[in-house]
Amino acid sequence: GESVGLHLPTLSVQEGDNSIINCAYSNSASDYFIWYKQESGKGPQFIIDIRSNMDKRQGQRVTVLLNKTVKHLSLQIAATQPGDSAVYFCAEGIRGSTLGRLYFGRGTQLTVWP
Amino acid sequence: DGGITQSPKYLFRKEGQNVTLSCEQNLNHDAMYWYRQDPGQGLRLIYYSQIVNDFQKGDIAEGYSVSREKKESFPLTVTSAQKNPTAFYLCASSSGDYVGYEQYFGPGTRLTVT
Repeated sequence: GESVGLHLPTLSVQEGDNSIINCAYSNSASDYFIWYKQESGKGPQFIIDIRSNMDKRQGQRVTVLLNKTVKHLSLQIAATQPGDSAVYFCAEGIRGSTLGRLYFGRGTQLTVWP
Repeated sequence: DGGITQSPKYLFRKEGQNVTLSCEQNLNHDAMYWYRQDPGQGLRLIYYSQIVNDFQKGDIAEGYSVSREKKESFPLTVTSAQKNPTAFYLCASSSGDYVGYEQYFGPGTRLTVT
């Protein structure tokens, strides 16, 4: 079955530094990936997504990198701010799947120190 | 404002009682999902629905039931058969019935059963 995991359960960074959050996936058929941010006691918020025909996608202060060879996904946050402190989840799925579902990893807790 | 609402935010029940969690969306989305989140864990799929009057079991459906009588509404009932119901419950919706469209999440309901 599919599984989505994270290399590091916690990450602490200094304000202003760049953060890199990693994610491994096991289903080579997965071709759609999403990063979500979840603040304490709230629902996850969409950050950025990427399809398997891309290696890199950029958003505002965030970049997602996809390495299909080693089935690895990363989220880079530039100039990390205290408001970025949250749990970050990656999720994978198969586009066009009639099941219409995503598989989520456990998440990485990002803490930003002033 | 368009979005997903879940109510109540906090819910307390005695063991042996059924309880229904509300989820409403005004995004005109076809697909809706229920997830369970336990501390330090990723999101686990309970039930999902692609269209009105149709729904499928997810990975942990035992002890739960749903209905989808309206496009906007997807209530979840936690029955007394659920062995460990205390958790954070998240409802989500997406525009497509297949992966490739992000899932939008509600704010969650924290259920405590004693």
